[in-house]
Amino acid sequence: EDKVVQSPLSLVVHEGDTVTLNCSYEVTNFRSLLWYKQEKKAPTFLFMLTSSGIEKKSGRLSSILDKKELFSILNITATQTGDSAVYLCAISNFGNEKLTFGTGTRLTIIP
Amino acid sequence: GAGVSQSPSNKVTEKGKDVELRCDPISGHTALYWYRQSLGQGLEFLIYFQGNSAPDKSGLPSDRFSAERTGGSVSTLTIQRTQQEDSAVYLCASARGIYNEQFFGPGTRLTVL
Repeated sequence: EDKVVQSPLSLVVHEGDTVTLNCSYEVTNFRSLLWYKQEKKAPTFLFMLTSSGIEKKSGRLSSILDKKELFSILNITATQTGDSAVYLCAISNFGNEKLTFGTGTRLTIIP
Repeated sequence: GAGVSQSPSNKVTEKGKDVELRCDPISGHTALYWYRQSLGQGLEFLIYFQGNSAPDKSGLPSDRFSAERTGGSVSTLTIQRTQQEDSAVYLCASARGIYNEQFFGPGTRLTVL
């Protein structure tokens, strides 16, 4: 069964700090890994990663995938209070079409 | 529409009643997914549709849960004889195709008393 483990479970940092969120996974026939940000109810899409070693970047956020070691990291630089949210990691495989989610990392940015 | 919409946003019901949750996907998205998120838990897959057909119903927790999609657009998730453990946020997502990123709606918070 596919499995996603995120760490840390929660993280509290000061505004301006840089954070790294981790996602490790076990999956048969890997297709993609996705990161979402969930502030209230609706998770909003951040990145989809399919290839190892290629960094995806959007503003202060970036993410990279290591398919050999089966993990991904999400980096946020110069954090702002608006970055406070739960960050979800999910994987998909070619065997089925669902996403398997981790339980998320709750990030809190203190002004 | 601009994004995925769901209704109602909140639903409080009594144990044993039936409820129907609605999802309007992004226009043109052929894939539609239902997930459930219980307090403090990750998202749990329930069912997905490709067009109007549901090839994978493996995530439905019991036969009290059913879903349909008509016209390749709107989907409804029906929970019959609700139980307290059904209380959760029910999220719908749509995608251009089954290999594309999923975009989520705001969810329906279901509370079963």
